[in-house]
Amino acid sequence: SQTIHQWPATLVQPVGSPLSLECTVEGTSNPNLYWYRQAAGRGLQLLFYSVGIGQISSEVPQNLSASRPQDRQFILSSKKLLLSDSGFYLCAWTLGGIREKLFFGSGTQLSVL
Amino acid sequence: DAKTTQPNSMESNEEEPVHLPCNHSTISGTDYIHWYRQLPSQGPEYVIHGLTSNVNNRMASLAIAEDRKSSTLILHRATLRDAAVYYCILSPSDMRFGAGTRLTVKP
Repeated sequence: SQTIHQWPATLVQPVGSPLSLECTVEGTSNPNLYWYRQAAGRGLQLLFYSVGIGQISSEVPQNLSASRPQDRQFILSSKKLLLSDSGFYLCAWTLGGIREKLFFGSGTQLSVL
Repeated sequence: DAKTTQPNSMESNEEEPVHLPCNHSTISGTDYIHWYRQLPSQGPEYVIHGLTSNVNNRMASLAIAEDRKSSTLILHRATLRDAAVYYCILSPSDMRFGAGTRLTVKP
């Protein structure tokens, strides 16, 4: 069966520090991968998605970047965190077909202080 | 902005049916309507999806308007565990989530 791993679960970082969040999917190949962010009390904002290795589409210009170095690995990064980067970060995957549902990871709660 | 719009919040009494609406007037012919729900501090979980016909599963039913510009998620008998934020999205053309509908279930 397929599983998605996302870590760490919680993270506290000072303003200006770098960030690296990792997401891996097991049990499938060539998934579509997504990074979402949810600010407190708000809906999910799509940040990046990827349909293949090295292919990244950005939805919103911001202080973050994403990379997909391997088929089932998706990384969210920042060189210098801002206070506004705080939020709940979620990784998700689908098999890419139009009927395929999204499977979400357990999320990372990031607090930038 | 997401291509779907939903009411911010709804309330229901336990054991009563709940109808959660979603408008998607710009839906394309190949889009499926997907519904997810999110409990606090968790990622969203899949509920149901459909294209044109109404759909039923163990969690809920999905009623889709004939013109496909709106849909309704139906929880036949709300329980306290159904209290969550419910989202509808259009797959694959728009994988963005709006603010969703926060469902409160009163005992």
